[in-house]
Amino acid sequence: TQLLEQSPQFLSIQEGENLTVYCNSSSVFSSLQWYRQEPGEGPVLLVTVVTGGEVKKLKRLTFQFGDARKDSSLHITAAQPGDTGLYLCAGALETSGSRLTFGEGTQLTVNP
Amino acid sequence: DSGVTQTPKHLITATGQRVTLRCSPRSGDLSVYWYQQSLDQGLQFLIHYYNGEERAKGNILERFSAQQFPDLHSELNLSSLELGDSALYFCASSSGGIAQPQHFGDGTRLSIL
Repeated sequence: TQLLEQSPQFLSIQEGENLTVYCNSSSVFSSLQWYRQEPGEGPVLLVTVVTGGEVKKLKRLTFQFGDARKDSSLHITAAQPGDTGLYLCAGALETSGSRLTFGEGTQLTVNP
Repeated sequence: DSGVTQTPKHLITATGQRVTLRCSPRSGDLSVYWYQQSLDQGLQFLIHYYNGEERAKGNILERFSAQQFPDLHSELNLSSLELGDSALYFCASSSGGIAQPQHFGDGTRLSIL
């Protein structure tokens, strides 16, 4: 069983549509980070959230950290083909220091 | 560019061999983390060093070891390699601290033949 359940695993949508990716756990996280990874490259940090209930916006991307710091979501508005990639959530458990526990990832494809 | 440099980018070797992966963290970062990414396991934490000292170990095999040098670069040594060790190995660095973001290098792709 994954400590961080990420859903959906695959998502294929048309340009202009909205989408939400979810990251859920029964454990509490000190912080949670969202990354985007392209083939052959390392994960690129999008955002870090640390406070329960926190909402951060990055252009068309909106990130939310659950009040209890057990879950998070990534919402993309008006998706574009350039948003295509593997989106990963990763959290630092309260009991495990700064090491990151990763979700399995959401492979997003935005079709023109 | 994350500022984290990993070499080599690709490694192809045979079972039973030993390899060394190198990581240079971002300027000013004291923490270095190593992760393994395989198709069936996703990204898994291996080990964390802070300013030269080991801070935490994850699911790292006994055949694997790491160290962080005084100039803060780190090396991950993999020995007695098995086919199942084929994976992407990533290094990440941060300034230290639980809420500090980790920045990843582009990884080393290890292929065991």
